[in-house]
Amino acid sequence: DAKTTQPPSMDCAEGRAANLPCNHSTISGNEYVYWYRQIHSQGPQYIIHGLKNNETNEMASLIITEDRKSSTLILPHATLRDTAVYYCIVRGSYNYGQNFVFGPGTRLSVLP
Amino acid sequence: DGGITQSPKYLFRKEGQNVTLSCEQNLNHDAMYWYRQDPGQGLRLIYYSQIVNDFQKGDIAEGYSVSREKKESFPLTVTSAQKNPTAFYLCASSIDQGGGQPQHFGDGTRLSIL
Repeated sequence: DAKTTQPPSMDCAEGRAANLPCNHSTISGNEYVYWYRQIHSQGPQYIIHGLKNNETNEMASLIITEDRKSSTLILPHATLRDTAVYYCIVRGSYNYGQNFVFGPGTRLSVLP
Repeated sequence: DGGITQSPKYLFRKEGQNVTLSCEQNLNHDAMYWYRQDPGQGLRLIYYSQIVNDFQKGDIAEGYSVSREKKESFPLTVTSAQKNPTAFYLCASSIDQGGGQPQHFGDGTRLSIL
């Protein structure tokens, strides 16, 4: 699976959009980009995933660049409850039985 | 509500004791997984199961055992052979293993040594 690079930490004002970047320059054609978040002492929560096209659900939007070498997770109106560690993961659809590799992630702090 | 239930939330093990962590899902998912998370670390795969009555070792299976007798249940036993069992244990499931499907996680069991 391709490696991802994320900033270690970010701050965001409550009510504003939080834009979390992820670099995955070695991604290959059949690898998906997944985003999870983990609040202390809880299990990782699935947010969104995509292959090539931008995706949106009730939680967030995922913007993938045309060359697929980077992506951005957008939380449109961040709240204090969005404070968490956010993980960007790249994983191939062919990876049967392989784990999701969670790196250090980005610690997002939403400030009042 | 559909989801993954892990129990207990906290568990204490005495030296030489085997303990079993429960994981139940009502999502009708075929694949289930067990991970271990140590403080400040990522997740490491212990065991996974693609289908009932079948399971495979992950990266750190030594000292652990599993069973998959029912689709909705995938219990993990931490045996006395696991010398460093203190960790946060996470169970996950997915519709199947391929096709880009995400894994969904339970809220974990925190295991400590007495």
